[in-house]
Formats: sequence, structure tokens, C-alpha cells
Amino acid sequence: GAVVSQHPSRVICKSGTSVKIECRSLDFQATTMFWYRQFPKQSLMLMATSNEGSKATYEQGVEKDKFLINHASLTLSTLTVTSAHPEDSSFYICSARQTGSSDEQFFGPGTRLTVL
Amino acid sequence: GENVEQHPSTLSVQEGDSAVIKCTYSDSASNYFPWYKQELGKGPQLIIDIRSNVGEKKDQRIAVTLNKTAKHFSLHITETQPEDSAVYFCAARPRLSSASKIIFGSGTRLSIRP
Repeated sequence: GAVVSQHPSRVICKSGTSVKIECRSLDFQATTMFWYRQFPKQSLMLMATSNEGSKATYEQGVEKDKFLINHASLTLSTLTVTSAHPEDSSFYICSARQTGSSDEQFFGPGTRLTVL
Repeated sequence: GENVEQHPSTLSVQEGDSAVIKCTYSDSASNYFPWYKQELGKGPQLIIDIRSNVGEKKDQRIAVTLNKTAKHFSLHITETQPEDSAVYFCAARPRLSSASKIIFGSGTRLSIRP
């Protein structure tokens, strides 16, 4: 149980295009999901907290207009990187917290984004 | 806000020996401390966690200890095996975090020598 999937696992795009990444909780409902970015050999940096049915909460320094988050259902959150540039190339990871649980977060397998 | 420091950044141990990774946190109100294992190209996986109302927790070869007074917590892996090689992250969740977000340490790259 408690499986989180991400799609796509890997994406290569041209500079200036937008890319959408999906995060799904497969066997549980998640009121809250989290989006992280991880650069090579670095730790996970929280970008934003995604709440079902409401606006996402962004961490300081993260541009909300560039990283659009939509959490339209209890099992799906999407992150759209708009007008992607090479510096947006990174490993994007989502996690989901089961509704009613205050602790454990389950992580997805990550999405490798490469912007040419 | 919460700050989590993790040491060492790299650790190499002989297969069969023990490995210890240490973390400190700054927010005395933090009450949940998970540990994650991340293999290359994959997302983190929870391996063990501890809450502030206990001082130690063990699951087979893995144990975690928590010293709330010193704001230290440690991961202990005994009888290490090649498949233990990975990057390990400690994390802490501030009690007053309204969204239950967790703060990660910088990671430890563990290598098990055959």
C-alpha cells in the first residue's frame, strides 16, 4: 500500500516550452501533496505544498507563476513548469500525505527534467 | 525556522560493519523524525521514523535514537550489506508546521566495501 506514482519519469524539452508532471496517490487519498526539487548530489528542497481544492503554498524564492500547481482531486496533483529554461533542469519529486495522517509522507519515484 | 544538519556527508564501511549517521535539529518543538534511503535515480523511501515521545526505535538491522535535550538523532545500521549503499537523508518536522512539511538534512552517501 501507500504507493505514489509520477509521470513522466523522464522528459526532455526545448527551452521556452511548458512541461506538466503528474503525481498520483494510487491506493490512498491525499489531501496534501508536496513538490520537491533536487539538484545533483544535493538534498531535496521543498518547492510548494499542494492542498486539494485550494491554492498551493509556495516556499520563499519559488516563483508561483513559473511553477503552476493544481491539486484538483484527492489522488492527483500536477506541477507545470512554464517557459522552461536550462536552469530548470532538475529532478522533481512529489510526496503525498494520507488524509487523516499527520506524519508519514510517501514519495514518488521522481521526474528527471532536461531543458535543452 | 527549522534547520537540520547531517554528518558525515560521505561514509564508507566494510561489509558487515556498522554505520552511524548523525543529525541535529534546531527547533525544539519538532516532534517527528523520519529517515529516508534514496537510490540513484529514484525517490526517497522511508526506512524508519521516530516520534518525540520515544528515545529509541529498532527495525531489524536499523535503529534510530533521539536525544531531545541535545536535539540530536542518529541512524544506526548494523551488519551492513552491499544493498545498503545509497544516500540517506534525515529529516525533522516542526510541530507548528501547519502543513506537516518536513525539513531534510543534506544527505550522507553510504558506500559498503565488499
